Amino acid sequence: GAVVSQHPSWVICKSGTSVKIECRSLDFQATTMFWYRQFPKQSLMLMATSNEGSKATYEQGVEKDKFLINHASLTLSTLTVTSAHPEDSSFYICSARHRDRTYEQYFGPGTRLTVT
Amino acid sequence: GENVEQHPSTLSVQEGDSAVIKCTYSDSASNYFPWYKQELGKRPQLIIDIRSNVGEKKDQRIAVTLNKTAKHFSLHITETQPEDSAVYFCAAKPGGAGNMLTFGGGTRLMVKP
Repeated sequence: GAVVSQHPSWVICKSGTSVKIECRSLDFQATTMFWYRQFPKQSLMLMATSNEGSKATYEQGVEKDKFLINHASLTLSTLTVTSAHPEDSSFYICSARHRDRTYEQYFGPGTRLTVT
Repeated sequence: GENVEQHPSTLSVQEGDSAVIKCTYSDSASNYFPWYKQELGKRPQLIIDIRSNVGEKKDQRIAVTLNKTAKHFSLHITETQPEDSAVYFCAAKPGGAGNMLTFGGGTRLMVKP
C-alpha cells in the first residue's frame, strides 16, 4: 500500500509554455501533499505544501505565481509550471502523507522537466 | 527553521562491511526522523524511521539510532551488499504544526563487490 504516481514521468516543452504535473495517491487518501525539486546529485528541496481544499504554502524563494499548486481532492495534487524557462528544468517529485498515518511521506516517481 | 546536516557525502565500503551515515539537526523539538534510499533516477524510498520517544530501531540489516540530547541520529547498515549502493537521505520533521520534512544533503553509498 501507499503508492504515489506522477504524470508525466518526463516532459520537454518550449520556453514560455506551461506544463502541468499530476501527483496521485493511488491506494490511500492524502490530506497533505508536498512538492520538491531536485537538481542532479543534490538533495530534495521543498517547494510547497498543499492541503486538500486549501491554498498551498510556499517555501521562501518559491514564486507562487510561477508554480501553481492545486490540491482539489484527497488523491490528487497538481503543479503547473507557468511560462517555463530553461532554468526551470529539473526533477520534480511529489510526496503524500497518508491520512491515517501521522508522519510518513510516500514519494512519487518524479517528473523530469526539460525546457528548451 | 530546521537545519539538517549529513555526513559523509560519499561513502565507499567493501561488500560485507558495515556502513554508518550520520545526521545532525538543529530544532530540539523535531520528533520524527526518517531515512530514504534513492537509486539513480528513481523515487526516494522510506527504509526506516524513528520517533523522538525511541532511542534505537532495527529492521534486519538496517538500524537507526537517535541521541536527542546531542541532536543527532545515525543509519547503520550491516553486511552491506552491492544492491545497497544508492543515495541515502536523512530527514527531520520539526515539532509543532505542519508535516514538512527537512532533508540532509544526502550520502552516496558505494558497495564494492
